[in-house]
Amino acid sequence: NAGVTQTPKFQVLKTGQSMTLQCAQDMNHNSMYWYRQDPGMGLRLIYYSASEGTTDKGEVPNGYNVSRLNKREFSLRLESAAPSQTSVYFCAGRPGGSYEQYFGPGTRLTVT
Amino acid sequence: AQSVTQLDSHVSVSEGTPVLLRCNYSSSYSPSLFWYVQHPNKGLQLLLKYTSAATLVKGINGFEAEFKKSETSFHLTKPSAHMSDAAEYFCVVSDFWANNLFFGTGTRLTVIP
Repeated sequence: NAGVTQTPKFQVLKTGQSMTLQCAQDMNHNSMYWYRQDPGMGLRLIYYSASEGTTDKGEVPNGYNVSRLNKREFSLRLESAAPSQTSVYFCAGRPGGSYEQYFGPGTRLTVT
Repeated sequence: AQSVTQLDSHVSVSEGTPVLLRCNYSSSYSPSLFWYVQHPNKGLQLLLKYTSAATLVKGINGFEAEFKKSETSFHLTKPSAHMSDAAEYFCVVSDFWANNLFFGTGTRLTVIP
């Protein structure tokens, strides 16, 4: 099992460009999550998907959209990147009946 | 509302000495609590979890944590630090519906040889 995988590992964008961060899990998790990590602030939830076909906003959803393509894949899209979106993005999955989440390796995004 | 406060942003210990990383939580119900570790430029790894079973929880790599309701604390300890323990540690509380994890701001552990 690869667990939770994310692509790309690194990305540099110019202000106004768009891109999609990909996340896939092979652990049969129903729920999937996108977080951002900024220095000194821990992780903050952007969006989550409690099950295939559903998505909900988290704490900091502005400027992002998500798609739960199927049970395995949950993508995060930046339509018009801004420097404030420079961050490290983590995807996570959660097994049914549990509270803990399992994280991918992260995507380091820089917006100039 | 749920939240956690990590009382130290940075802890430095000598190799072979005990580790104590402090965490206080706030929750309007019986919480689920976690400690995660993040090594430099890596993802987050679950160290241990408390979900209303035994109050002393054992995790990986010799770490353990004790849930103390009266003190609203969930401190992380290890009897003897190893160089490989140097990392960032996050105390985390789950919301009631398990749809969000609330992270503390992290404690950076330095281990001095």
